[in-house]
Amino acid sequence: NAGVMQNPRHLVRRRGQEARLRCSPMKGHSHVYWYRQLPEEGLKFMVYLQKENIIDESGMPKERFSAEFPKEGPSILRIQQVVRGDSAAYFCASSPVRTYEQFFGPGTRLTVL
Amino acid sequence: KQEVTQIPAALSVPEGENLVLNCSFTDSAIYNLQWFRQDPGKGLTSLLLIQSSQREQTSGRLNASLDKSSGRSTLYIAASQPGDSATYLCAVKGVNYGGSQGNLIFGKGTKLSVKP
Repeated sequence: NAGVMQNPRHLVRRRGQEARLRCSPMKGHSHVYWYRQLPEEGLKFMVYLQKENIIDESGMPKERFSAEFPKEGPSILRIQQVVRGDSAAYFCASSPVRTYEQFFGPGTRLTVL
Repeated sequence: KQEVTQIPAALSVPEGENLVLNCSFTDSAIYNLQWFRQDPGKGLTSLLLIQSSQREQTSGRLNASLDKSSGRSTLYIAASQPGDSATYLCAVKGVNYGGSQGNLIFGKGTKLSVKP
C-alpha cells in the first residue's frame, strides 16, 4: 500500500505566478488535510477535504488560496499570485475516517523568488 | 483555543541514554494524540497514536503516555541511538474546535541530537 504521495517535491515560482500542489492519499483514505510549515514555525492546519467537499477551511488564508478534492484524481492546493511569504513546506495528510490516525506525505517545498 | 507546547525545544544526549520528551495541551477534550518524527527536509513519520481512552502505547523502544485530565503526554525513548536524531512533534485532534474537528494541532517540536 503506497503512502501519501505529493508532487512536485520542490517548486520554484516567481512572485505573481500560480503554484499547484498535488496530493494523492493512501488507498482507501477519503479524508485529506493540508498543513503548512513556515520556516522556524510549527505545522499549521489549512484545510480538510473529503471527496468533492470542503469540510473545514478555517486555516486557509482568505485570498489567493483554494483547495479541491475531486471525485477522480488527486487533491489540489492552489496558490494564485504567489508572494515571498508563501515560501514554506506544504504537507498533505490522509486518514480513512476523521478520528483516525493521519498519515503524512513527504511535502512540497515551495520557494517564491 | 487549543495550544500545544513541547519542552524542551532542543535536547542533546549521549548514545545509550534513556530520555523523555514532554508535550502539554490546554484543552483536555481530545480524540487522540499523535507523536511524529521529522527528519530535516523530510515529511512526518507517525510514531505512536494514543486514543483519548488509552493511557499509553508502545512501539519498540518508544513508549508514549497520555494523562488527559492534566493535559500531558510524554514520549519515552529507551537506549537512544544516533539514528534517533530528529525533531519530534506532538499533535492533538480536538473535540471542541474547528467546524469539523478533523485537524491536528501541533506543538513546535523537540529537536533531539544523540551523540555517538
